[in-house]
Amino acid sequence: ETGVTQSPTHLIKTRGQQVTLRCSSQSGHNTVSWYQQALGQGPQFIFQYYREEENGRGNFPPRFSGLQFPNYSSELNVNALELDDSALYLCASSPGQGASNSPLHFGNGTRLTVT
Amino acid sequence: QKEVEQNSGPLSVPEGAIASLNCTYSDRGSQSFFWYRQYSGKSPELIMFIYSNGDKEDGRFTAQLNKASQYVSLLIRDSQPSDSATYLCAVNWAGGYNKLIFGAGTRLAVHP
Repeated sequence: ETGVTQSPTHLIKTRGQQVTLRCSSQSGHNTVSWYQQALGQGPQFIFQYYREEENGRGNFPPRFSGLQFPNYSSELNVNALELDDSALYLCASSPGQGASNSPLHFGNGTRLTVT
Repeated sequence: QKEVEQNSGPLSVPEGAIASLNCTYSDRGSQSFFWYRQYSGKSPELIMFIYSNGDKEDGRFTAQLNKASQYVSLLIRDSQPSDSATYLCAVNWAGGYNKLIFGAGTRLAVHP
């Protein structure tokens, strides 16, 4: 059983550019959650997708958007990049709303640097 | 405002000692509590979760939960240098499915 995989591993972008990060969920999991972890901080919840619909959002501006595909993989898109968007972006998948809370296991993350 | 508080550390303990990591949370309705370990440059790794008041043991790790005091702790027995990492406490939003609020983490240093 494969876990959560994220790509790319590292990314360097320039302020004002747009970026897309990708996440493949664990087999059988229909819910994907994205988190941002700035240096020295704990991860912060960005949003969650359940069966291709956004299911909750943290305190992030609209330039952070996402998608979930029929195979439950997901993308995180960030427009108009700012220097403060430099962070480790983490993805986690889980079995779904019908299941009891199951612990989240994160992928290896994407390290985004905005210059 | 939902918050999770941890001492940033570093917490320095000698090899073989017990390391005690603490966490408080503000959302009284939270039901699920997690401890993650994060090595520098890596993603967080789940090491313990606890849902009920009391203690839960897994190998050298014991999680303790006191919902009345809104307090969660992690004990690491027989600490090893390989335990040196940042430990993140996470709490599930009350009523939210797998939406976690994390503390900023406590850095643990185990010295030989």
